[in-house]
Amino acid sequence: QAGLTQPPSVSKDLRQTATLTCTGNSNNVGNEGAAWLLQHQGHPPKLLSYRNNNRPSGISERFSASRSGNTASLTITGLQPEDEADYYCSAWDSSLSAWVFGGGTKLTVL
Amino acid sequence: QVQVVQSATEVKKPGASVKLSCKTSGYTFTTYLMHWVRQAPGQGLEWMGIINPSDGGTGYAQKFQGRVTMTRDTSTSTVYMELGGLTSEDTAVYYCTRETGGFENWGQGALVTVSS
Repeated sequence: QAGLTQPPSVSKDLRQTATLTCTGNSNNVGNEGAAWLLQHQGHPPKLLSYRNNNRPSGISERFSASRSGNTASLTITGLQPEDEADYYCSAWDSSLSAWVFGGGTKLTVL
Repeated sequence: QVQVVQSATEVKKPGASVKLSCKTSGYTFTTYLMHWVRQAPGQGLEWMGIINPSDGGTGYAQKFQGRVTMTRDTSTSTVYMELGGLTSEDTAVYYCTRETGGFENWGQGALVTVSS
């Protein structure tokens, strides 16, 4: 099944801002938006935002999501060492009647 | 608080089936959809399907149609996922996750290893 497109890796300096992207089409990201999750090695994923910029309870305001057309973005401000993780986007695809994921972006905090 | 607890590691031979469980607590079981997502070693996340605990309705990714079955037991607030015709490519960590708009609560994952 067709998935969403994410850059494989992004590197940013400590305390800087990182913006991760996720590109889909009008049937998924462009339709109902995207959700973002982070995953540390050996742990289950953790939801950061859904339907573009709704944050679950307990998620820092340093994480903010947005969408422009068929591309969703996750912006992380004031990068911390613990932000180093794999980040995945996901969206409901109305043409496939399925959830699709991006391949993930490995964020390195230098 | 919400808890999602999965069954343990499984080792299966090619051609066999595996049935995983996912026990939930801390909320009304029938209110939220449950999904199964898997992750092969070193790979990304892959959605397998969805079950509505309220009526047992299911939807599966096309890739798994015909060899996956998701069920639920409302008396124990548990969902199950059975995958048949296992091959080495099914070796992965299998997660169940509760949807509240996004995949908010995850089980700890169950490693399924398929090997002869």
